[in-house]
Amino acid sequence: KAGVTQTPRYLIKTRGQQVTLSCSPISGHRSVSWYQQTPGQGLQFLFEYFSETQRNKGNFPGRFSGRQFSNSRSEMNVSTLELGDSALYLCASRELRGIGTAPYNEQFFGPGTRLTVL
Amino acid sequence: GNSVTQMEGPVTLSEEAFLTINCTYTATGYPSLFWYVQYPGEGLQLLLKATKADDKGSNKGFEATYRKETTSFHLEKGSVQVSDSAVYFCALSGSNQGGKLIFGQGTELSVKP
Repeated sequence: KAGVTQTPRYLIKTRGQQVTLSCSPISGHRSVSWYQQTPGQGLQFLFEYFSETQRNKGNFPGRFSGRQFSNSRSEMNVSTLELGDSALYLCASRELRGIGTAPYNEQFFGPGTRLTVL
Repeated sequence: GNSVTQMEGPVTLSEEAFLTINCTYTATGYPSLFWYVQYPGEGLQLLLKATKADDKGSNKGFEATYRKETTSFHLEKGSVQVSDSAVYFCALSGSNQGGKLIFGQGTELSVKP
């Protein structure tokens, strides 16, 4: 099976712009989660999607949003970019039959999208 | 709220040395515990996991035991190799948190030949 893929791998934007990142989960995985990784804050959970619905959300401002499509692919959007949004954005997918089940199911991570905001 | 604390790095060891990376957690209920590894330029890979107290996770020579009494999940390896050089993350998933992983700050390991 192909792994989790993320596009693009690298992105450079300027303050005030918006950006959309894409994630394709492993085939058959219906849950997709997003994380932000920075040197200062480490790895922080953004949100999780399952069956096209956001199921869980981290402590990020409303500028960060996401969605999931019927084929389980997911996108996240950051509007009005700030310098502090520069980070590695990681997507992870996991096999899940129903929400609330099997919290220990392994999450498989993609290589990430490196976003630089100038 | 739930949190994970792991020892700061970087940790530098010689090949074949013994490795311990400490990890402690704070959580309500019965979380699942994980160790992830990140090689340069790559995403995270699950190294091992434990889903209940006294479980021992193991993989590729690495081991960690879920100790509820000390709220710890220390990572150990008896003999490290240069190829083990990476950043290691301890993480937990709360019992009602679904796919939300809470990570420690990461420990960079450098193994010298």
